[in-house]
Amino acid sequence: GQQLNQSPQSMFIQEGEDVSMNCTSSSIFNTWLWYKQEPGEGPVLLIALYKAGELTSNGRLTAQFGITRKDSFLNISASIPSDVGIYFCRSANTGNQFYFGTGTSLTVIP
Amino acid sequence: DAGITQSPRHKVTETGTPVTLRCHQTENHRYMYWYRQDPGHGLRLIHYSYGVKDTDKGEVSDGYSVSRSKTEDFLLTLESATSSQTSVYFCAISKGQVDQPQHFGDGTRLSIL
Repeated sequence: GQQLNQSPQSMFIQEGEDVSMNCTSSSIFNTWLWYKQEPGEGPVLLIALYKAGELTSNGRLTAQFGITRKDSFLNISASIPSDVGIYFCRSANTGNQFYFGTGTSLTVIP
Repeated sequence: DAGITQSPRHKVTETGTPVTLRCHQTENHRYMYWYRQDPGHGLRLIHYSYGVKDTDKGEVSDGYSVSRSKTEDFLLTLESATSSQTSVYFCAISKGQVDQPQHFGDGTRLSIL
């Protein structure tokens, strides 16, 4: 099935730095979700976006639904060690189809 | 945390044996899903259910079957396990199919030797 292009695949950053990652596609979507997965656990929902151009924050996390409806961005400000994990995007269209990105692995160096 | 329990959490078995994984929810959500997660492939949908006794295939359904006899339980069965089915399996639930977020269980790590 179609997969979203999620980048970067992995990131190694110093504690305190800001992080940016994104998901892109050639298709238009109506919903973008962002999840975080920690080792040994299932993905946990971080932010849900339902409208083109929407910008939503959850603490230090901010996500945006791209204006073209083909992409979404997740930013983490002032990273801390507990931000470590794999971040996934998920998109959905009106045809009852949904897709997951392959994930961005984040390592935060204290 | 969403009320999702997967069992067992870990299992090691031999090629050719049948295996059943269970997902139990306490949220009364209509939709339930089974995914497998492998390095380099992300989450891939195996089967999903949109109600009691209503199921459909996902992108990697070959070799797997599912059943849902009650709202709260969704079973995934490997009739004759193969080494290629070694993976981490996740169950997820949602109120709606695409307009509602999915909430995931903590996974079952299955090793087939």
